Amino acid sequence: DIQMTQSPSTLSASVGDRVTITCRASQSISAWLAWYQQEPGKAPKLLIYKASSLQSGVPSTFSGSGSGTEFTLTISNLQPDDFATYYCQQYNTYPWTFGQGTKVEIK
Amino acid sequence: QVQLVQSGAEVKKPGASVKVSCKASGYTFTSDYMQWVRQAPGQGLEWMGTMNPRGGFTNYAQNFQGRFTMTSDTSTSTAYMELTSLRSEDTAVYYCARVYVIRGVPHHSDYWGQGTLVTVSS
Repeated sequence: DIQMTQSPSTLSASVGDRVTITCRASQSISAWLAWYQQEPGKAPKLLIYKASSLQSGVPSTFSGSGSGTEFTLTISNLQPDDFATYYCQQYNTYPWTFGQGTKVEIK
Repeated sequence: QVQLVQSGAEVKKPGASVKVSCKASGYTFTSDYMQWVRQAPGQGLEWMGTMNPRGGFTNYAQNFQGRFTMTSDTSTSTAYMELTSLRSEDTAVYYCARVYVIRGVPHHSDYWGQGTLVTVSS
């Protein structure tokens, strides 16, 4: 199975900050990676697919990059709505796997 | 608009089975795949399986082999998941999510159901 490792597990930041979350795959997944945002008590929401494609309706303050085994999600100009937990998921190879999540909290 | 509406919360005893439904609307049900994901209290997301509602393809996480079955009813655009031999560790919110298919290849999930809480307790 492909292991997805996110870092950090928790990130403390302030409104207006730029934050970066990393997701590393245990083997190459090309660009078949999605990023999801999850607020407490809600279903995940797609932000980025195919590593760097912004889902329709998602603010351009979100961006993704990477290929192979290393990927990043960057949130520029952090807004109050952005304090949530973020997950990566690879869909290159079955079984599909998620990272363990990164919680972005208010400093 | 695309919607996935799941059935309501369930409370089950250990050893029982649960079947959760996911009714799709706003798109052609057989054009895309479906994945099931669960989340135990305070934990991360766990992929359970992916299926083609038209039939002919399912892929299950090894952790659930033999206990977990995904099915669909194309006449009602409804996907189902059934988990048997329930144990307390199966207490979680279960989500269905549409898997967008591009040129026959399943990709990311752009729409999710609201989640169904399954509680396993004696």
